[in-house]
Amino acid sequence: QQQVKQSPQSLIVQKGGISIINCAYENTAFDYFPWYQQFPGKGPALLIAIRPDVSEKKEGRFTISFNKSAKQFSLHIMDSQPGDSATYFCAAKTLGNEKLTFGTGTRLTIIP
Amino acid sequence: NAGVTQTPKFQVLKTGQSMTLQCAQDMNHEYMSWYRQDPGMGLRLIHYSVGAGITDQGEVPNGYNVSRSTTEDFPLRLLSAAPSQTSVYFCASRQTGANYGYTFGSGTRLTVV
Repeated sequence: QQQVKQSPQSLIVQKGGISIINCAYENTAFDYFPWYQQFPGKGPALLIAIRPDVSEKKEGRFTISFNKSAKQFSLHIMDSQPGDSATYFCAAKTLGNEKLTFGTGTRLTIIP
Repeated sequence: NAGVTQTPKFQVLKTGQSMTLQCAQDMNHEYMSWYRQDPGMGLRLIHYSVGAGITDQGEVPNGYNVSRSTTEDFPLRLLSAAPSQTSVYFCASRQTGANYGYTFGSGTRLTVV
């Protein structure tokens, strides 16, 4: 049972464009939603995270949008750069529980 | 700080062999976890620990054992390797507090033949 569904599987965006990756979850007890960035041969690195009491969180060019009623959240990368080319994972967990559930990942490629 | 250190980086095992994947962190983090990453499946939690002497099962614990005798170390043991355990294994740790995310190691790529 996949509790966090991520789309698209792969994404190609031109340099300077907006990259958008979407996730949907089923467990309404989830209350922490991080995004991780992974480069080839490396471990995932925490990029940005949000809690369901806010609808949006922005850190530099990265923004999480959160829709609690639809049980969906998305990552927006503004002014996408070639250095943003990586695999991105959304994830979710409940407070007090260390079981972090990941989406299946999106391979993002930024072309010049 | 070294962060989360995993050894070895690469390993080839024969079916039925046992081995231990090592994980150490120098950040005094209480929480540690082991994940496996397979193509098209994201990362799946194998076991986790909320402190020395305390471990619990994750989503895919079968065939793996863990122990946490110190805060720094969290080894993962494969009891009798199977080809289905071919994967990339990541160890991660985080400090206590609701808003702290996990720091991941660089991974161990394991092939079971």
